[in-house]
Amino acid sequence: QKEVEQNSGPLSVPEGAIASLNCTYSDRGSQSFFWYRQYSGKSPELIMFIYSNGDKEDGRFTAQLNKASQYVSLLIRDSQPSDSATYLCAVTGPYGGATNKLIFGTGTLLAVQP
Amino acid sequence: DTGVSQDPRHKITKRGQNVTFRCDPISEHNRLYWYRQTLGQGPEFLTYFQNEAQLEKSRLLSDRFSAERPKGSFSTLEIQRTEQGDSAMYLCASNLDTRTDTQYFGPGTRLTVL
Repeated sequence: QKEVEQNSGPLSVPEGAIASLNCTYSDRGSQSFFWYRQYSGKSPELIMFIYSNGDKEDGRFTAQLNKASQYVSLLIRDSQPSDSATYLCAVTGPYGGATNKLIFGTGTLLAVQP
Repeated sequence: DTGVSQDPRHKITKRGQNVTFRCDPISEHNRLYWYRQTLGQGPEFLTYFQNEAQLEKSRLLSDRFSAERPKGSFSTLEIQRTEQGDSAMYLCASNLDTRTDTQYFGPGTRLTVL
C-alpha cells in the first residue's frame, strides 16, 4: 500500500463547476496535510495546508480533513480553465519527527473544460 | 525575488558525467530539502539539512549522490557518473523551523542524461 494515494485522473469538470480531489494516507501519525498545484513542467506551488479535522476555506478552495478515515480532500469552487493542473497531496509525519519531510501522492490531473 | 532559487534550470549531460546543482533557499529558512520527481510521479524525498547538518538521507540516494550545505546557506547536490535513470526534475524546498511544516519549492532543475 502506498503511503499517500490519489486517483491519477484525469478529472474533467466544466467551467464553473466544483472540482473534488481526494487523497488517502496510511500513516495514522501524520500531522500535517498539504495540497500543491503543479502546472506541466513547473514546480509545485502551495495551495493549502490543514492540520485539524474539519474544513478550512481559502477563497475558492476548501480543504477537508478526516483523521479517523485517514482522508483529506480539496474542493475547488467555480473552477476555471486556469485551474487545470496536477494537484499533489502531501503529508508529513508525526510532529516532532526529525525532518518533517513531505510524502507525496502521484497527483490528480484536473482538466477544466471551457 | 525572495523565493527559493535553483541553478541551472536545465542540464543535459552524457551518461557517466558528473553534474552539480545549486539551491539558494529563502534567506531566513534554516531547513532545506531536496526532492526528485520523475514523469507521472509525485516528488520523492532525497535529503534534508537543518542549518549545515545533513540529518537524513533517503535510501533513494545512492553513493553516487552527495549533498552539502556549507555554512547553512545555499546547498549543492552532486551526481557522479550519471545514468539515464537519473533523468528527472530535482526540486529544492525550504522552510523555517517553527510550528508550521510548510515547504516552499524552487523552480527545479531538469536533468536529462543522454
